[in-house]
Amino acid sequence: EAQVTQNPRYLITVTGKKLTVTCSQNMNHEYMSWYRQDPGLGLRQIYYSMNVEVTDKGDVPEGYKVSRKEKRNFPLILESPSPNQTSLYFCASSYRALNTEAFFGQGTRLTVV
Amino acid sequence: GQQVMQIPQYQHVQEGEDFTTYCNSSTTLSNIQWYKQRPGGHPVFLIQLVKSGEVKKQKRLTFQFGEAKKNSSLHITATQTTDVGTYFCAYVQTGANNLFFGTGTRLTVIP
Repeated sequence: EAQVTQNPRYLITVTGKKLTVTCSQNMNHEYMSWYRQDPGLGLRQIYYSMNVEVTDKGDVPEGYKVSRKEKRNFPLILESPSPNQTSLYFCASSYRALNTEAFFGQGTRLTVV
Repeated sequence: GQQVMQIPQYQHVQEGEDFTTYCNSSTTLSNIQWYKQRPGGHPVFLIQLVKSGEVKKQKRLTFQFGEAKKNSSLHITATQTTDVGTYFCAYVQTGANNLFFGTGTRLTVIP
């Protein structure tokens, strides 16, 4: 089954404790991206990747890191989480950014206390 | 960054009424996509529009892309409770390589 898998689905952590949210897709997609969703603000892009070893900042990259060592995986790293990073996070993948459908993971609800 | 406004932010309708959400851009868009997110779910692709003036239909849903490729609309005829959710437009600006999303319109359908 074609899918994007995120883990964990829910996470409560403390300020400053490094964490990683994993994202994996099995569709051989080139383009992957991370979004955060906050009430009234829609989906804001954090980082995106056009292909392996190619990543770039989206609209709200501060406080986040990503890597794309393999085509299927695109982890999101919070080196020192802060309460303003409490949000719902979605990973998405598509064959390309342009003219192709994006598939989303189930989401990760992160709370930083 | 995001230069697309999506309106309205919220819409409450009686079941059977029509619903429309709009996305308006200050710049020309390469294409526009529409997604639906059910409460507690993740965004799911509905459709993509690429050509100037394009109109596509999916049952009760009608999607339009403006002649200037700066605006788009999603219209639902005779809403049903299954239409509840947040509708997002998504776009790639001309010359760019990443997919941005509008702020979404949350639709509530009152039975």
